[in-house]
Amino acid sequence: AQSVSQHNHHVILSEAASLELGCNYSYGGTVNLFWYVQYPGQHLQLLLKYFSGDPLVKGIKGFEAEFIKSKFSFNLRKPSVQWSDTAEYFCAVNGDTGFQKLVFGTGTRLLVSP
Amino acid sequence: DGGITQSPKYLFRKEGQNVTLSCEQNLNHDAMYWYRQDPGQGLRLIYYSQIVNDFQKGDIAEGYSVSREKKESFPLTVTSAQKNPTAFYLCASKDGGLKGNQPQHFGDGTRLSIL
Repeated sequence: AQSVSQHNHHVILSEAASLELGCNYSYGGTVNLFWYVQYPGQHLQLLLKYFSGDPLVKGIKGFEAEFIKSKFSFNLRKPSVQWSDTAEYFCAVNGDTGFQKLVFGTGTRLLVSP
Repeated sequence: DGGITQSPKYLFRKEGQNVTLSCEQNLNHDAMYWYRQDPGQGLRLIYYSQIVNDFQKGDIAEGYSVSREKKESFPLTVTSAQKNPTAFYLCASKDGGLKGNQPQHFGDGTRLSIL
């Protein structure tokens, strides 16, 4: 069965600090990978996605993520965070063949202090 | 603007009462989903549907029911059999049916509390 692990449950950073949120998944086949963000009081929205090709994908608001197949990882990064990045971040995975449900990690709450 | 509308935003349920959460989308998406979000547990799949009059149980379907009479609508009923219904409920839809690699689009959610 698929599973997703987000090891950092809470992260507190100062503005301009660099961010890296870990995401590891367990699945034996080809995967599609997603990072979603949920800002306070807002709906879940897509930050970025990886299906194939260049393993370094760039998303909205300066975020990027790198798919490392050998490590089953899809870590999210941002070189310099802003106060407005305060949100909860979810990594999600689904398999590429047949119907495979989207499996979410437990989320990481990021607090950026001004 | 196209999107997913969930209503109500807040809902209170008395013990032993069934309540229905609304989800409407105007994105012309085939697949629709219901998730439950609890603190520290991420999102868990309750039910999903690919086409009208077809739906399947997800991981935590017990105590819930759904219908898909129209493509744009996928209401979720939380029955009295659901012993721990207090949670944040999210509806999502996706283009390309259940298969494929299109991302899911989410509504604003409904927060259900027990009186």
